[in-house]
Amino acid sequence: AQSVAQPEDQVNVAEGNPLTVKCTYSVSGNPYLFWYVQYPNRGLQFLLKYITGDNLVKGSYGFEAEFNKSQTSFHLKKPSALVSDSALYFCAVRDWEAGSYQLTFGKGTKLSVIP
Amino acid sequence: DADVTQTPRNRITKTGKRIMLECSQTKGHDRMYWYRQDPGLGLRLIYYSFDVKDINKGEISDGYSVSRQAQAKFSLSLESAIPNQTALYFCATSDFGASGKVEQYFGPGTRLTVT
Repeated sequence: AQSVAQPEDQVNVAEGNPLTVKCTYSVSGNPYLFWYVQYPNRGLQFLLKYITGDNLVKGSYGFEAEFNKSQTSFHLKKPSALVSDSALYFCAVRDWEAGSYQLTFGKGTKLSVIP
Repeated sequence: DADVTQTPRNRITKTGKRIMLECSQTKGHDRMYWYRQDPGLGLRLIYYSFDVKDINKGEISDGYSVSRQAQAKFSLSLESAIPNQTALYFCATSDFGASGKVEQYFGPGTRLTVT
């Protein structure tokens, strides 16, 4: 079975400060990992993914995430937060090695960037 | 124009009524998905389809049915709506996975209220 956990319901950060949104996962095989962002009254937008290769992946809007296999984590980061980054962020996992075609999403983390 | 569209965007219906939510895509993807989003629960997969002749149940398919009318169209039906089906519903599409293209792309969502 595959699962993902986002341990923080909400993260508050001051504008200009670095931000981190945490994600841990559980799979029996090897994962594909994803981050999505949801703005109010909008669908989910794809930010970045890890499928193989370099553990540090870069995505849209200056976001990046680091795949850490030993800690089964895939935390989302940005060096300098913007007020416009305030949104709901979802981590998702797919256990491709186990033959899964389904994405399992975390419960989401609400990011608030304070001016 | 949006790549993944959903109609209607909002719907209020009564318990016991049949309702259909429609999804169309212009991305040329073979794979399509229906999810529901509930506050604090993230997104959960209802059904997915890899082509017109391939329909699969997801995590929470009870009370729902789907139809894949064409490569570009995937509809979700609630045969007899009940209040706990009140939620935000998302359609998504993805490529078949070649060249690492495994991410899903989401429509804007349909907010369904069952009274």
